[in-house]
Parts: sequence; C-alpha cells; structure tokens
Amino acid sequence: AQSVTQLGSHVSVSEGALVLLRCNYSSSVPPYLFWYVQYPNQGLQLLLKYTSAATLVKGINGFEAEFKKSETSFHLTKPSAHMSDAAEYFCAVSPSGTYKYIFGTGTRLKVLA
Amino acid sequence: DTAVSQTPKYLVTQMGNDKSIKCEQNLGHDTMYWYKQDSKKFLKIMFSYNNKELIINETVPNRFSPKSPDKAHLNLHINSLELGDSAVYFCASSQDSASGAYNEQFFGPGTRLTVL
Repeated sequence: AQSVTQLGSHVSVSEGALVLLRCNYSSSVPPYLFWYVQYPNQGLQLLLKYTSAATLVKGINGFEAEFKKSETSFHLTKPSAHMSDAAEYFCAVSPSGTYKYIFGTGTRLKVLA
Repeated sequence: DTAVSQTPKYLVTQMGNDKSIKCEQNLGHDTMYWYKQDSKKFLKIMFSYNNKELIINETVPNRFSPKSPDKAHLNLHINSLELGDSAVYFCASSQDSASGAYNEQFFGPGTRLTVL
C-alpha cells in the first residue's frame, strides 16, 4: 500500500535560515507527489507538485522540492525562512491512475525571530 | 470568486443530532472529496465523487452519507452525531483525468464541527 512519511511533526528555524521539511513515500512506481501548506484556520493550498516532468520542482513563495527516486524522497526546502512561512505543511502522494490522495501526518513549521 | 466554498464554517451541536455540511465548487471540476482532519491535524479521505458517482468510500461509519446532486455540489449528512465526530471537515475538488495525470486538489476553507 502507498504511504507517506513526514519526519518531524514540529520543525523550528530562525528567520532567514534554511527550511528543510522531509517527506518519504513508499510506492512500487513513482507516484504524483505534492506539498500543501495550511495556514491557521484555513484550507490547504498547493505549494508545488511533482508529475515526472522535472525532478527539481519550484513552487510558490520561494519553496522547492527535489524528487529522488533512489531515496524515495521529496523533501521541501526554502533557502531563507520568513515569519509568514509559519504553518502546517503536508506531503501527499497520489498513485498514478487514481483519484486518491494519501497525506502525511504534517509538519508544523515555526519561524523564530 | 471563491473556488471551493463550504457552509457552514462553524457548526456546534449536541450529541445525537443530525446535521449537514454543504460544498460547492465553481471550477468546473469533475471530482469532489470529503476529508476529515482531527485535532492532531491528521487528514483522512472519507468519500469521493466523480461526475455524481461515488468512487471512493473509505471506512467511515454509515452515519455519514454523502450526496452529490450535480458535479458542482457535494454535501455531507451526518446522523446521530457523536463526540468523536468533532473535527474539521474539508471539501476538495479536482479535474478529472482519465490518463491519471496529476490531479491537483483545491480545498475549501473547512467546516469546524463541535459535538457537545
């Protein structure tokens, strides 16, 4: 069965520091992969998606993620954290040919002044 | 224009009551979903409809019944509410894709259900 693991339920970084949020997936074939962000009391917004076109995917708000098949990973990074990045981040996998999303358990990012 | 809207935003009710949550999308998408997010932020799919046909029905108590009158609407009716039903319920939609190409989901703002 497909699954997604997000390491670290809470991550704290200083403003201006590198953000690294980890996501590993299990799949027999590379699925479609997504990162979503959820700000307090809001719905989820798509940050970026991997659909096999390019392994390095750039998203909104300066975020990017790199698909590494050998490591079954899709980690999210941002070179310099901003206070407004504080939110919950979800990695999700959608097996090819299905409508189903499987979400990770989320990582809460805290940005320290 | 709101892409995916849900009503109500907040719902507080007593145990044993029956309540409904409504969802509408104006994106022209063919597929709609209901998710439940618990207090630990865990997000779990409940149901999905494609062109008014139920395509995903996860292990959910049969007190929960989705209804899709047309492909722009997906409602969730909950009978005999229990304390454990307290959560945030999200509606989402995505474009149908027979080829299985990426089906990015667009989420509504959520409905916070509190059962007392």
